[in-house]
Amino acid sequence: NAGVTQTPKFHILKIGQSMTLQCTQDMNHNYMYWYRQDPGMGLKLIYYSVGAGITDKGEVPNGYNVSRSTTEDFPLRLELAAPSQTSVYFCASSYELYPYGYTFGSGTRLTVV
Amino acid sequence: AQTVTQSQPEMSVQEAETVTLSCTYDTSENNYYLFWYKQPPSRQMILVIRQEAYKQQNATENRFSVNFQKAAKSFSLKISDSQLGDTAMYFCAFMKLGDSSYKLIFGSGTRLLVRP
Repeated sequence: NAGVTQTPKFHILKIGQSMTLQCTQDMNHNYMYWYRQDPGMGLKLIYYSVGAGITDKGEVPNGYNVSRSTTEDFPLRLELAAPSQTSVYFCASSYELYPYGYTFGSGTRLTVV
Repeated sequence: AQTVTQSQPEMSVQEAETVTLSCTYDTSENNYYLFWYKQPPSRQMILVIRQEAYKQQNATENRFSVNFQKAAKSFSLKISDSQLGDTAMYFCAFMKLGDSSYKLIFGSGTRLLVRP
């Protein structure tokens, strides 16, 4: 079982560039989430999805976009990267019958320079 | 809106000793879950323990136990017989039930160092 897979694990992005962080899960979970973790801080919710075709904003959505065309995949798009988006990004998923059973990916460390 | 506060940025404990990490939260909800997550240097998020708000009995998982005080909105984590592998960041988190998002709200974390 792969669980939640995030790619890439590390990336350096230049200011103004765009990129997509990939997240895929093989557990048929309907709930998926993107969180960011700034240095020395807790995780903050960026976007979430309760199923294919349905997405909604979290606490810190500005500068990001998401899509959920399949149950398995939940990519996070950064447009016009800014230094404030330097962070570690975590994708997570859970199943509606056990919403407390989050599975986290291993994270993507993104640096914007 | 719910908030989670961890007032101890760093703590240190001698191996084999007991340490307690503090967490308070603010909510007007009655149905929710509380969690403690461990984040070692590998940065993987690992669930340590979960507490359902409707349960009066404190949750325990081997060396880990909680002191859940619902009226005081307090949720502390006790680690007994501390081991070197317990060195990590620990996050307290809140999940409101009945909210279709089932999102987690995290505290800012406590960095725990276990000394040999």
